[in-house]
Amino acid sequence: NAGVMQNPRHLVRRRGQEARLRCSPMKGHSHVYWYRQLPEEGLKFMVYLQKENIIDESGMPKERFSAEFPKEGPSILRIQQVVRGDSAAYFCASSLQGQINQPQHFGDGTRLSIL
Amino acid sequence: DQQVKQNSPSLSVQEGRISILNCDYTNSMFDYFLWYKKYPAEGPTFLISISSIKDKNEDGRFTVFLNKSAKHLSLHIVPSQPGDSAVYFCAARTGGGADGLTFGKGTHLIIQP
Repeated sequence: NAGVMQNPRHLVRRRGQEARLRCSPMKGHSHVYWYRQLPEEGLKFMVYLQKENIIDESGMPKERFSAEFPKEGPSILRIQQVVRGDSAAYFCASSLQGQINQPQHFGDGTRLSIL
Repeated sequence: DQQVKQNSPSLSVQEGRISILNCDYTNSMFDYFLWYKKYPAEGPTFLISISSIKDKNEDGRFTVFLNKSAKHLSLHIVPSQPGDSAVYFCAARTGGGADGLTFGKGTHLIIQP
């Protein structure tokens, strides 16, 4: 399966813990995007990364959230000191290049639940 | 501020008929538009897209129409099939490509047998 792989599919954390979400892009894709979907809402853009670079993080909260896409390995979205409001589905997408006419292909998401 | 609006939360269509899903946008900088289909517990799947220099794009049963002056686009599915029952998201992107997609809230399409 050469699709975008996200893990874990479900993640449960208690308030104050850290959550780490992983995303492996499609083979050959070097551009990764993270989105968050709250219940009954559309997907909201968080951050856009290329290998080892953050290109646009305008949608990511300034505190507690960080993202990386190292030279080797998956992209990681990290949420520190989680709160109830962080409960959502987090989707990762990848594209071959960042060009406007190339669609982003999505993984099946990580459902984060905060107790 | 909702820059991409899908005003119909749900739509019910009889199998074999045409499904028309609508989307309005407010940001005149949007240059590229996409439709995604999403089943429960899965990620969005890309369906079809259109550049702002075109007014129509067709792919099999799916056609997207863009009215740039009205800032309106629509997705037509004909004929509608049971497997088309899903949530459909309209998304937009500004020129340059170095940004994420802006999504609407989605329309839940239900195909009735």
